[in-house]
Amino acid sequence: EAQVTQNPRYLITVTGKKLTVTCSQNMNHEYMSWYRQDPGLGLRQIYYSMNVEVTDKGDVPEGYKVSRKEKRNFPLILESPSPNQTSLYFCASSIRTRGGEQFFGPGTRLTVL
Amino acid sequence: TQLLEQSPQFLSIQEGENLTVYCNSSSVFSSLQWYRQEPGEGPVLLVTVVTGGEVKKLKRLTFQFGDARKDSSLHITAAQPGDTGLYLCAGSPSSSASKIIFGSGTRLSIRP
Repeated sequence: EAQVTQNPRYLITVTGKKLTVTCSQNMNHEYMSWYRQDPGLGLRQIYYSMNVEVTDKGDVPEGYKVSRKEKRNFPLILESPSPNQTSLYFCASSIRTRGGEQFFGPGTRLTVL
Repeated sequence: TQLLEQSPQFLSIQEGENLTVYCNSSSVFSSLQWYRQEPGEGPVLLVTVVTGGEVKKLKRLTFQFGDARKDSSLHITAAQPGDTGLYLCAGSPSSSASKIIFGSGTRLSIRP
């Protein structure tokens, strides 16, 4: 089954404790992206990647890191999480960057205390 | 900062009524997409519009892309309770086609 998977689905952590949210897709998509969703703000793009070893900042990259060592995986790293990073996070992949349908993962609900 | 402004933010109507949701920007977009999101899930694509003035229909849903490719609308005819959800427009600005920007969303509730 074609899908985007994220882990964990739920995470409660404390300020400053490094964490990684994994994202994997099995559709051989070139483009992958991370978003955060907050009430009233829609989805905001954090980072995106157009191919292996090619990543770029979205609109809200501060406090986040990503890597794209393999085509299928695009982990999101929070080196020192803070309470303002409490949010619902989505990973998405697309076969192309311009106008391509994005397939979203199930989301990761992160709470930073 | 390129923005996509959606209106209305919330809409609650009776089953059978018609409604229109708007997505506006001051920037030109190479394409615009509409997604629908249900609680606890990621957004799912409804349609992509690419050409200025383009109109696409998906059963009772009609999507239009503005002539200048700065705005789009979603019209639902004879709304049904199953249409309830969060509707999001998204697009890639022509000036930065690799980025994707989402509108803030329209939360639609259809009362039986």
